[in-house]
Amino acid sequence: NAGVTQTPKFQVLKTGQSMTLQCAQDMNHNSMYWYRQDPGMGLRLIYYSASEGTTDKGEVPNGYNVSRLNKREFSLRLESAAPSQTSVYFCASRVKSGRNLAFFGQGTRLTVV
Amino acid sequence: KNEVEQSPQNLTAQEGEFITINCSYSVGISALHWLQQHPGGGIVSLFMLSSGKKKHGRLIATINIQEKHSSLHITASHPRDSAVYICAVYMEYGNKLVFGAGTILRVKS
Repeated sequence: NAGVTQTPKFQVLKTGQSMTLQCAQDMNHNSMYWYRQDPGMGLRLIYYSASEGTTDKGEVPNGYNVSRLNKREFSLRLESAAPSQTSVYFCASRVKSGRNLAFFGQGTRLTVV
Repeated sequence: KNEVEQSPQNLTAQEGEFITINCSYSVGISALHWLQQHPGGGIVSLFMLSSGKKKHGRLIATINIQEKHSSLHITASHPRDSAVYICAVYMEYGNKLVFGAGTILRVKS
């Protein structure tokens, strides 16, 4: 049982390049999330998907797009990477809202130069 | 003002010391989550609380819903406890999980 799997683990991009971060969970969870983690700040929500077919903006959505491809997969796309998007990105999932534990991927360390 | 505040931001302890990390929040919540993140590593769930107290090994978590405050205690601390400890709250309404900035703990031998 892999839990939440994120790829890639590390990536270096040049300013203006695009890329997609992949996330998949095998726990049949309804809700999936993308967060970014920056030094001295808590994890900030970029986008989330409460269920298959729905996505909503979080706290810091600018510069990102997401796709909930199916119940298992939730991808995050940077269309034109900027140095301000250098961060560690975490995907998470949980069954549904309420008192259900969230599970996290291992993170993707992205550097934009 | 952040909705979830943790203190202290940084904590250095000697092996064997009793450690307390605090979390205060300003919103209505359905539950509170304590997480651990090792350097370069992923995020691991420690506890989820909606009332009272939970214990797992040397870790104890408490929550006071009326005071909107939670504490994470580590008894007989060990260098392997060195990590970032993160408090997160599940919002009472909606689907969001809001995080504190984390407490960086270093336990010296």
